[in-house]
Amino acid sequence: EVQLVESGGGLVQPGGSLRLSCAASGFTFSKYWMNWVRQTPGKGLEWVASIKQDGSEKFFMDSVKGRITISRDNAKNSLYLQLNSLRAEDTATYYCATGGGWGSTPFDYWGQGSLVTVSS
Amino acid sequence: DIQMTQSPSSLSASVGDRVTITCRASQSISKYLNWYQQKPGKALKLLIYAASTLQRGVPSRFSGSGSGTDFTLIISNLQPDDFATYYCQQSYNAPPWTFGQGTKVDI
Repeated sequence: EVQLVESGGGLVQPGGSLRLSCAASGFTFSKYWMNWVRQTPGKGLEWVASIKQDGSEKFFMDSVKGRITISRDNAKNSLYLQLNSLRAEDTATYYCATGGGWGSTPFDYWGQGSLVTVSS
Repeated sequence: DIQMTQSPSSLSASVGDRVTITCRASQSISKYLNWYQQKPGKALKLLIYAASTLQRGVPSRFSGSGSGTDFTLIISNLQPDDFATYYCQQSYNAPPWTFGQGTKVDI
């Protein structure tokens, strides 16, 4: 069974940093593009970032470019999202998801999310 | 970026009903439209990809159609487990992948 479990969310002050993790199991992690998607009541679902199987290609949403880093450790079956210079508008539930990349593929599997709250 | 617009934003239905949700893209996306189901506290679930292909394990009461800019998700014979929020997503011109605002199906 495919499982994606996010962790690392919490309350952080504006301007602060946070690192989210996604632990994957039940599939060959190294064969999949991986993604981060966030959700807020106001803006709904927003794709944030994607990373290729070997980490050689990365894509980012325009509004977070320069403030976030996506990485992966295929030996640990783990995906990461480093969030820096956080703003109130980054408050959201962050999901990791498989799929995407080139070829118009959907996001096959999702985790249950990790809540990030940016507030003083 | 391609904008995705769903309608309605919410609807009330009963068990056994046929439910139709529409999704419109701001430009042609060929057949590259996906549908997801979200329940509170649960992971999003891929239901349909490429407009009409049912994801493995998804009940056949779910169906999708459309191409270009206009797409439809139909749930025939609505079941108690189907009360949820549904999202469309385009994967034609990505990144960025963009989503509709969601349609909540409740009683």
